[in-house]
Amino acid sequence: ETGVTQTPRHLVMGMTNKKSLKCEQHLGHNAMYWYKQSAKKPLELMFVYSLEERVENNSVPSRFSPECPNSSHLFLHLHTLQPEDSALYLCASSQEVQGKLFFGSGTQLSVL
Amino acid sequence: QKEVEQNSGPLSVPEGAIASLNCTYSDRGSQSFFWYRQYSGKSPELIMFIYSNGDKEDGRFTAQLNKASQYVSLLIRDSQPSDSATYLCAVTASASKLTFGTGTRLQVTL
Repeated sequence: ETGVTQTPRHLVMGMTNKKSLKCEQHLGHNAMYWYKQSAKKPLELMFVYSLEERVENNSVPSRFSPECPNSSHLFLHLHTLQPEDSALYLCASSQEVQGKLFFGSGTQLSVL
Repeated sequence: QKEVEQNSGPLSVPEGAIASLNCTYSDRGSQSFFWYRQYSGKSPELIMFIYSNGDKEDGRFTAQLNKASQYVSLLIRDSQPSDSATYLCAVTASASKLTFGTGTRLQVTL
């Protein structure tokens, strides 16, 4: 596989569920990101990892918990989400932090 | 004031015309500028980047940067229906934070 792959593509969950989003990059990049994209709003940076260490956390609620076990894999663990968390969640990677981003196909999340 | 501002559109241009997409930014210390294209239901894709004042051309695309006026634009020559998408401007401001605009929706009509 090439590029940045994300699973699942679609996810429907209740507010009491626990689920995880997975991202894998095959580009040899050093940085990985989680972004949230909602209608009519700019892409919102959630988390940045550089060389497996978190370098930025943009005041994201604790119901979102990232995990970066190595430079190729990134997870976003979700628990007790709210309906307003429904959005497209995008994973991205880059060679250097905040450089040229390569995005995965995203996970469309619906919280009921 | 929004950090990165774009007109949401839609911007409608006929096939074969030049599409001009504009973006302004608030942080005068911004150093890197990117244009991403996002088709409906798809993820953003990097199409252009520019670091210095002036023009940068790549095929039918030209990025223009004017740091004094704090704007960056994207010109698409010979617009095609396949160019219909939302174009996101992104700016790396101070402290290397990459900030996105809300995007401009472009419609190329036959």
